Amino acid sequence: GEDVEQSLFLSVREGDSSVINCTYTDSSSTYLYWYKQEPGAGLQLLTYIFSNMDMKQDQRLTVLLNKKDKHLSLRIADTQTGDSAIYFCAESIIGGYNKLIFGAGTRLAVHP
Amino acid sequence: DAGITQSPRYKITETGRQVTLMCHQTWSHSYMFWYRQDLGHGLRLIYYSAAADITDKGEVPDGYVVSRSKTENFPLTLESATRSQTSVYFCASNEGPNSPLHFGNGTRLTVT
Repeated sequence: GEDVEQSLFLSVREGDSSVINCTYTDSSSTYLYWYKQEPGAGLQLLTYIFSNMDMKQDQRLTVLLNKKDKHLSLRIADTQTGDSAIYFCAESIIGGYNKLIFGAGTRLAVHP
Repeated sequence: DAGITQSPRYKITETGRQVTLMCHQTWSHSYMFWYRQDLGHGLRLIYYSAAADITDKGEVPDGYVVSRSKTENFPLTLESATRSQTSVYFCASNEGPNSPLHFGNGTRLTVT
């Protein structure tokens, strides 16, 4: 079946690194995405990785993909208060109808 | 400005009433989607559309109707609203398979 799981909550100190983890079940995933949702807003695409890559870096963001374990992580370096939000992992799977499967979201709280 | 806009942002309606949520995108994206976001469930797909006049059910379509007479518009209608349909509704669009979804800012619907 298709399922994406994330831990629901993460608390970090300002300036530290945050690591948000995600596991998925569908081995036919093509792209994996990270979205950010701030209060009262829609989901904003942060970054994505193609399934044949194992790492992607974009400024303070590093995405690691372990395809064997079906594990995806998002590392945010030098976490700031503006990074406080809900982060969603999503996988795009082959076949069907251009389908994205979302996790339930991880709420990141950044404290001084 | 280009983008995807939803209206209204907030709506309160009574049980049994019909209500329509609007979604408009300016990118000429082929695909459009309706999701609902509920605590503990993440995002669940209600309906999607691959092109004008082509629509299909997602995971939770019961109680909803959609239409897509023009590429840029994808309204979602609750024919007879129920309290279980109290939620935040997001419209999204993309160019096609394996391209990122772009989300609107959502409509918060309360059914009393």
